[in-house]
Amino acid sequence: GAVVSQHPSRVICKSGTSVKIECRSLDFQATTMFWYRQFPKKSLMLMATSNEGSKATYEQGVEKDKFLINHASLTLSTLTVTSAHPEDSSFYICSARDLLGNRGPYEQYFGPGTRLTVT
Amino acid sequence: GENVEQHPSTLSVQEGDSAVIKCTYSDSASNYFPWYKQELGKRPQLIIDIRSNVGEKKDQRIAVTLNKTAKHFSLHITETQPEDSAVYFCAATGGGKLTFGTGTRLTIIP
Repeated sequence: GAVVSQHPSRVICKSGTSVKIECRSLDFQATTMFWYRQFPKKSLMLMATSNEGSKATYEQGVEKDKFLINHASLTLSTLTVTSAHPEDSSFYICSARDLLGNRGPYEQYFGPGTRLTVT
Repeated sequence: GENVEQHPSTLSVQEGDSAVIKCTYSDSASNYFPWYKQELGKRPQLIIDIRSNVGEKKDQRIAVTLNKTAKHFSLHITETQPEDSAVYFCAATGGGKLTFGTGTRLTIIP
């Protein structure tokens, strides 16, 4: 139980294009989803928190217009990197939390990550 | 906001010996402290967690201790095995968000 999937696992795009990454909770309803970014040999940095049906809350320094987050249903959140540039190349990981179920309010379940390379 | 410091950044131990990783946090309101193991290119995997109303928790070879007064918590791995080699992250939850430590690369020497 508590499975989170991400798609795609790897994507290569050209500079200036947009890329959408999907995060799905497969066997539970995710009232809250989180998006993280991880550079090589670095820690996970929280980008934004999204609650189903409301606007995402972005961390300081994260551009809202560049990283568009949509959490339209209890099982799906998407991150769109707009007008991507080489410096956006990174490992993007989502996580989901189930506040309504019996898994507890604290634990986050992580997706497998998406490796984005912008050329 | 929360700030989590973790050390050491790298740790090498002989197979069979114990490994200890330490973290400190800044927000006294934090109440959940998970530890994750991450292998290269993979997702973080929860290995153990502790809540603020508990001082110690153990699961087979892995244990975590929490000192709320000092605001630090530690991961202990005993009888280390080659498959324990990975990067380990501590984290603290304040305000519903996880703040991660900087990570420890643990290498088990056969």
